[in-house]
Amino acid sequence: AQTVTQSQPEMSVQEAETVTLSCTYDTSESNYYLFWYKQPPSRQMILVIRQEAYKQQNATENRFSVNFQKAAKSFSLKISDSQLGDTAMYFCAFSGQGGSEKLVFGKGTKLTVNP
Amino acid sequence: GAVVSQHPSRVICKSGTSVKIECRSLDFQATTMFWYRQFPKQSLMLMATSNEGSKATYEQGVEKDKFLINHASLTLSTLTVTSAHPEDSSFYICSAARDTYSYEQYFGPGTRLTVT
Repeated sequence: AQTVTQSQPEMSVQEAETVTLSCTYDTSESNYYLFWYKQPPSRQMILVIRQEAYKQQNATENRFSVNFQKAAKSFSLKISDSQLGDTAMYFCAFSGQGGSEKLVFGKGTKLTVNP
Repeated sequence: GAVVSQHPSRVICKSGTSVKIECRSLDFQATTMFWYRQFPKQSLMLMATSNEGSKATYEQGVEKDKFLINHASLTLSTLTVTSAHPEDSSFYICSAARDTYSYEQYFGPGTRLTVT
């Protein structure tokens, strides 16, 4: 069974600075998808970024980028130029390659951006 | 595009009664929908996976007779909490996958259930 581990329950960062959230996972599959979701106080789950395991290039979305290390089964999220609106819970998630596969979530990291 | 709604957003019910939560995909057809439960300050726990026209697949430890899931159409899935008790109070979230080849899920805004 796949597992996702987020070892940082809480983190804080000053506005405009950079922060990195860690995620490791365990799977025996060779092809899969990894995601970072953001859950603000509204509790609406928002997809931040996704990575397809067969792609070596790290995904980027504006201020958000990942460091995907397949051999190490590591998938960290870097947030650059942190903004107050980035304050939220961040969940790392894994999905198998097959269509409509269930998501396996980590326990989450609570990120606070301080002014 | 890819909007998922949930109704109601909040519901309070008395212990022993049943409550139904609806999950709708508004602008796409969802072959698969997922139901999650989230306790305060915790992660999402998958309860079940439902495919249109077939029985839901429940995760280990989830009571099938207590959490009834129906996926009668490609745009609607419902979760019915039967004989609710205070320990069923939680935040319930649904998500929908666009088709059987889709790896991305679209999440509803969630429903807060309080059982008194």
